[in-house]
Amino acid sequence: AQRVTQPEKLLSVFKGAPVELKCNYSYSGSPELFWYVQYSRQRLQLLLRHISRESIKGFTADLNKGETSFHLKKPFAQEEDSAMYYCALSGRSGGSNYKLTFGKGTLLTVNP
Amino acid sequence: EPEVTQTPSHQVTQMGQEVILRCVPISNHLYFYWYRQILGQKVEFLVSFYNNEISEKSEIFDDQFSVERPDGSNFTLKIRSTKLEDSAMYFCASGWGGNIEQFFGPGTRLTVL
Repeated sequence: AQRVTQPEKLLSVFKGAPVELKCNYSYSGSPELFWYVQYSRQRLQLLLRHISRESIKGFTADLNKGETSFHLKKPFAQEEDSAMYYCALSGRSGGSNYKLTFGKGTLLTVNP
Repeated sequence: EPEVTQTPSHQVTQMGQEVILRCVPISNHLYFYWYRQILGQKVEFLVSFYNNEISEKSEIFDDQFSVERPDGSNFTLKIRSTKLEDSAMYFCASGWGGNIEQFFGPGTRLTVL
């Protein structure tokens, strides 16, 4: 079974402060982990995925298989980072499709 | 940049009525998905579709649900007899294949009265 846990429903920080959004997962195989972001009144969009090891908008996330975690970090939060963040896990479903299993999401608010 | 589109943006229906939610995936994508999000809850997988057939469906996707790709561009989700608990935001997604990024539509908010 696939499971994603985001323990914080809400996270509020001040502009310029570091931010870490936590994500833990449970999956018996080799997972692919993603962070999706949803800005106010916009669609879900991919922020980053662990396999690409890139930094997007200053955010990074490292897959820690020992701790089964994929926390999202940014050293200096900006007001425009305020959004809903979803951690998602992709595991092989039937055929060659890969369904996404989402966490409940963390609403990040960056205060001026 | 191409985007997944969904219509309508909001659908209100009476319990027991049939609804069809429509999606136009990105044109060269081959893999299609429906997800739903009940208010205050997580986004949940409903069904995946490839090569004109269902690849996998969740427990939620019972006999009241069906999907179709009728004309090579649209991808529809039909709920035959809606229940109050079907009220949710329904997201369509598409991708080139396998374990690669899924692109999401803006969602259709379904309200069952």
